[in-house]
Amino acid sequence: EAGVVQSPRYKIIEKKQPVAFWCNPISGHNTLYWYRQNLGQGPELLIRYENEEAVDDSQLPKDRFSAERLKGVDSTLKIQPAELGDSAVYLCASSWDLSGATYEQYFGPGTRLTVT
Amino acid sequence: GENVEQHPSTLSVQEGDSAVIKCTYSDSASNYFPWYKQELGKGPQLIIDIRSNVGEKKDQRIAVTLNKTAKHFSLHITETQPEDSAVYFCAASHEGTYKYIFGTGTRLKVLA
Repeated sequence: EAGVVQSPRYKIIEKKQPVAFWCNPISGHNTLYWYRQNLGQGPELLIRYENEEAVDDSQLPKDRFSAERLKGVDSTLKIQPAELGDSAVYLCASSWDLSGATYEQYFGPGTRLTVT
Repeated sequence: GENVEQHPSTLSVQEGDSAVIKCTYSDSASNYFPWYKQELGKGPQLIIDIRSNVGEKKDQRIAVTLNKTAKHFSLHITETQPEDSAVYFCAASHEGTYKYIFGTGTRLKVLA
């Protein structure tokens, strides 16, 4: 079974430029998460989707970050414009969740973003 | 909100020895505790988890213990091997919120 797929794996951009990350979750998983992992720290949740609905985006900096999950499968996370502090690894995860229960989250390899 | 503290930040052990990583959490409502292993350049990989209705869970050389009263849980790796070298993260979650709060990670080095 294929795992969570992310692309690109690495991205280097200049500040103020836009950037987009793509995620394909594990087949059949209805829940998708985007996390940001700063160097030497654990992942922090940015946004969580149940199917195509964003049910928790409280940690997403909405002035510059946006995300979408059309058709409830693939997802794209965008930053526009990027700032130096956005340099981090952006992780996508997916799970199969039923209401009221917590299920295991499976992570992709991440996209390492460097903003210069 | 929930806060998870993880210790130690780095741990070096000789091959064949045991390694123990400890985490404490603040929210008594947390009831799901996964552990992840992250190798260089890869995403976190779930290695074991425990729910609050049990005190211990084992999977071959890996075990996790949970003390709900003290609000701490630990990862135990026995007979360590060089391939166990990685960063390990604990996390806590409250069923129904789905949000994982991660610890800051422990870099484990297994010396051959």
